[in-house]
Amino acid sequence: NAGVTQTPKFQVLKTGQSMTLQCAQDMNHEYMSWYRQDPGMGLRLIHYSVGAGITDQGEVPNGYNVSRSTTEDFPLRLLSAAPSQTSVYFCASSLTGQAEKLFFGSGTQLSVL
Amino acid sequence: GNSVTQMEGPVTLSEEAFLTINCTYTATGYPSLFWYVQYPGEGLQLLLKATKADDKGSNKGFEATYRKETTSFHLEKGSVQVSDSAVYFCALSSGGSNYKLTFGKGTLLTVNP
Repeated sequence: NAGVTQTPKFQVLKTGQSMTLQCAQDMNHEYMSWYRQDPGMGLRLIHYSVGAGITDQGEVPNGYNVSRSTTEDFPLRLLSAAPSQTSVYFCASSLTGQAEKLFFGSGTQLSVL
Repeated sequence: GNSVTQMEGPVTLSEEAFLTINCTYTATGYPSLFWYVQYPGEGLQLLLKATKADDKGSNKGFEATYRKETTSFHLEKGSVQVSDSAVYFCALSSGGSNYKLTFGKGTLLTVNP
């Protein structure tokens, strides 16, 4: 099983550039979410989705867009990257949204210069 | 709001030493408490959980007891191994939004042979 797959693993952007972080899961999970991990800050929830066509904001949504057109995919878009968005990004999914059943991807390390 | 305060790292131990990583929390209602582990280059994995006061979560020799009176969920292991080297995160979920996890900052544990 592939589980939760994130691409790319590493990315370097210039300020103002746009890009999409990809997240796909093959477990037919309804719930998917994006977190960012910053040194000394732990993980913070950016956006989440409880099913196809449904998304909502987490703790730190500014500067990020999401959509959920299929159950499998939950891309995270940075429309105009800023240095403050330098971070490690994790996608997670679960069948029901229960925290104890969350599966995390291996992360995308993003640097914005 | 919810918050999790975790022992600052890094923590360096010799193999077979006793491990304690302190975690205290602030939350409304009756949160569920979790410990996640992140091995180098990987995403987070659930290590153990407790859903009500006085519950003890355990897995792979690690234990943590949900102490409502002290709002704590300290992680312990009697004899650590080199393979336990990782970052450990304490987290909670509450308020009916079980998938909205609040994480601590993480504690890096290094175990030397």
